[in-house]
Order: sequence, then C-alpha cells, then structure tokens
Amino acid sequence: GAVVSQHPSRVICKSGTSVKIECRSLDFQATTMFWYRQFPKQSLMLMATSNEGSKATYEQGVEKDKFLINHASLTLSTLTVTSAHPEDSSFYICSARDYRGAGGNQPQHFGDGTRLSIL
Amino acid sequence: DAKTTQPPSMDCAEGRAANLPCNHSTISGNEYVYWYRQIHSQGPQYIIHGLKNNETNEMASLIITEDRKSSTLILPHATLRDTAVYYCIVKMYSGGGADGLTFGKGTHLIIQP
Repeated sequence: GAVVSQHPSRVICKSGTSVKIECRSLDFQATTMFWYRQFPKQSLMLMATSNEGSKATYEQGVEKDKFLINHASLTLSTLTVTSAHPEDSSFYICSARDYRGAGGNQPQHFGDGTRLSIL
Repeated sequence: DAKTTQPPSMDCAEGRAANLPCNHSTISGNEYVYWYRQIHSQGPQYIIHGLKNNETNEMASLIITEDRKSSTLILPHATLRDTAVYYCIVKMYSGGGADGLTFGKGTHLIIQP
C-alpha cells in the first residue's frame, strides 16, 4: 500500500530557530500533499495543501510567511516553521493520496508525524 | 463534506467485536465514508472506506445502512493494540486543492483486558 514517510519524528529547539520537516511519498508520486497540526487533546486541523510546482494553499488563519511550504518534486514536500516560538509547539502531520487507480476515491495516507517542541 | 457524529468514547473487552457507530445524515450521493484511527502520538492510519455496499478488509468491516445516513465500523476481534481514536470522515474527492480532510473529535475506543 501507499507509504508516506515523515522526518524528523521529534525536534526540540530554541525559540527563534527555523525548523524544516520533510514529507515523502515512498512508493507513489504525489502532486498534492497536505499538512495538518494537532495540539494536545485536540483533533487534527488542516493547515495547508501543498501543490507540486506551484504555491501552497493555506487554510484561514494559517500564516503563510510563518509556515513555508515547498513541493519541489513529485515525492517530497517540506514544511518550514520560521522563527519558531513556544506557541508553535505542536504535532505536525503530513498526508498524501495515491491518485492512481480507478474511481477517484483513494484514501489519504499519513506520515507518523513530527513532534515539535520550542523552548 | 457532510458532517459526522460519533460517540466520544467506547469500551470493549479484548477478544470481542468492537462496533463503532457514525451518523452522517446529510451525506450526498457521491460522498464516500472513510474510517481512520490514530494511536497515541502517531499519524492517522487508514482503515477502510465505502460508498454504499458493505466492505471488508484485513483490518475491519464497514456496514453502511441502506439510506447511507449512518455506518458502523466493526473490528471483529479487538486486541489491546486497537485502543485508539477512531475517526469517521465523509468525503467526495474533487481532485487536488479541496482534498484536505476535516477531522471531528472521533471516538476514543478503549479495549479492556
């Protein structure tokens, strides 16, 4: 089945640091990937849609200059949290769909997430 | 995407069948029902999906009522490793930009030894 890999799994860094998170589709090409954020005891919230070769689409309330997304190839999207502060501490998760196959109802597959802690 | 309603929590004894309900009374004809689960501190895991027929795979069975207004995910022989938050999501994929998922609060299933 479709596999999505996310790296790193955990990051601890000082306030003001920029942090890059990678999301890779391992056995399929993904023209579109998705980034979610999850705070403790809450559900996942969609942050942005990453489009290969074009600009990402951000959900309302998500600062595009804060969360930089690059989708330079069909298997890799990166999320960079710029000048991170303690309030950016969260669990960041990416997903992708394998659009191959008939029907157009293929599910999304998720990475294992990145736990970001800003001190 | 149609809204879904799930009980916030459920208990089930190990080895028994776990039946997780989901209400999606406003589902439209082209929307599929997807089930995911999230084990603590991990990314969501896809379980199963269906349109109107019942579906079964190696993980679970999905029963969708004839009017499609509700569904039940069945884990036939629950184990302790099935303890997780289970999300029922109704979605019609249009391609690309609008394909992000909206997660509700899900059902926290606790398997008791």
